[in-house]
Amino acid sequence: DAGVIQSPRHEVTEMGQEVTLRCKPISGHNSLFWYRQTMMRGLELLIYFNNNVPIDDSGMPEDRFSAKMPNASFSTLKIQPSEPRDSAVYFCASRGTTEAFFGQGTRLTVV
Amino acid sequence: GENVEQHPSTLSVQEGDSAVIKCTYSDSASNYFPWYKQELGKRPQLIIDIRSNVGEKKDQRIAVTLNKTAKHFSLHITETQPEDSAVYFCAASTHSGYALNFGKGTSLLVTP
Repeated sequence: DAGVIQSPRHEVTEMGQEVTLRCKPISGHNSLFWYRQTMMRGLELLIYFNNNVPIDDSGMPEDRFSAKMPNASFSTLKIQPSEPRDSAVYFCASRGTTEAFFGQGTRLTVV
Repeated sequence: GENVEQHPSTLSVQEGDSAVIKCTYSDSASNYFPWYKQELGKRPQLIIDIRSNVGEKKDQRIAVTLNKTAKHFSLHITETQPEDSAVYFCAASTHSGYALNFGKGTSLLVTP
């Protein structure tokens, strides 16, 4: 298995633009998580899914953020409109029964 | 929800010394406690984990201890090496498949 795959690896966008981050979890894992990492706040859990169903989205900072998981092999995190304070590394992780595996992350810069 | 506190935020040790990182959690239902290592510019990767039915677990130079009564767990690294330099995160989770709640991380620097 190639592990958790995220795209793009880097994204630079202008303030106000829509940004879509993508994630393919490890096959067979039934849980998927979106984390945001910054120096100030560390690893923040934004939202997670169990069997494609959103379980807890209390970490989503604002209505500008939304996430979907249309099937077991794909999830998106969308920011619309983006703002400079959204600049961070966004990690997707998936988990079966024990450890969570992280993707390589998307480094988002909003200018 | 679960709240995980981690200390210290930075730790500097001499090569060969031991390093200890401590975490506390709030939810007594938590039963899975992993530790992740994140090197600069890379993803967090699991280095060791422990379940609540075990008090201690060891893997070569790394050990983790768990005190369920006090709701705290610790990572011990012995004979530290420069390649141990990284950010270490503790986490807690209540059920398999549920979210991992992370501590804020400890930046470990091992100087030769």
